[in-house]
Amino acid sequence: DIVMTQSPDSLAVSLGERATINCKSTLSVLYSSNNKNYLAWYRQKPGQPPKLLISWASIRESGVPDRFSGSGSGTDFTLTINNLQAEDVAVYYCQQYYTTPRITFGQGTRLEIK
Amino acid sequence: EVQLVESGGVLVQPGGSLRLSCAASESIFSSYSMSWVRQAPGKGLEWVSSITGSGVSTYYADSVKGRFIISRDNSRNTLFLQMNNLRAEDTAVYYCAKFSSFLPDVWGKGTTVTVSS
Repeated sequence: DIVMTQSPDSLAVSLGERATINCKSTLSVLYSSNNKNYLAWYRQKPGQPPKLLISWASIRESGVPDRFSGSGSGTDFTLTINNLQAEDVAVYYCQQYYTTPRITFGQGTRLEIK
Repeated sequence: EVQLVESGGVLVQPGGSLRLSCAASESIFSSYSMSWVRQAPGKGLEWVSSITGSGVSTYYADSVKGRFIISRDNSRNTLFLQMNNLRAEDTAVYYCAKFSSFLPDVWGKGTTVTVSS
């Protein structure tokens, strides 16, 4: 299995500032034939299911604010949230789908307001 | 956008069985692969099982293989998870999720399974 490891486990950021969450995979999730990274980011608010934010490492889903951006390739990825808002408080997960349907998730990063 | 509604989660004793259901709102349900993903209390997300749109191919996590069976009834737009020989470590919220372009893009609200004596 591809193991996904996020860092940090939790972070506190002031309103209006930038939050950065990292995700590392034990194997590359870059598929060479199409040059696509099979990496997604989800947000989960308390009591709610996960919501897909970003797929293919950097493609925002429809309706996701452009404050959210994804970057990285191969085994190292980053989710950046600019101009942090109160509604961004949540747990964020990275997920690889290189081995779909046997997908695996990172352990999650809890984002709070400082 | 398709809506997914899970049901069937209850308190069950260790060794017991349970069947979860997930009803989809769209008649094009058969076009999508579907999965179950679970989340133990206070823990992260764990993929459990997947099934192709036709139902021909199924996949299981090692932790549930031989105990859980995924199936679907496309005429009723419904996904199922038959859970047998349940263990305490199966306690979780179980989400059904629709796959699109290789990953889950729509999730239900989940149903809670508690395995305890």
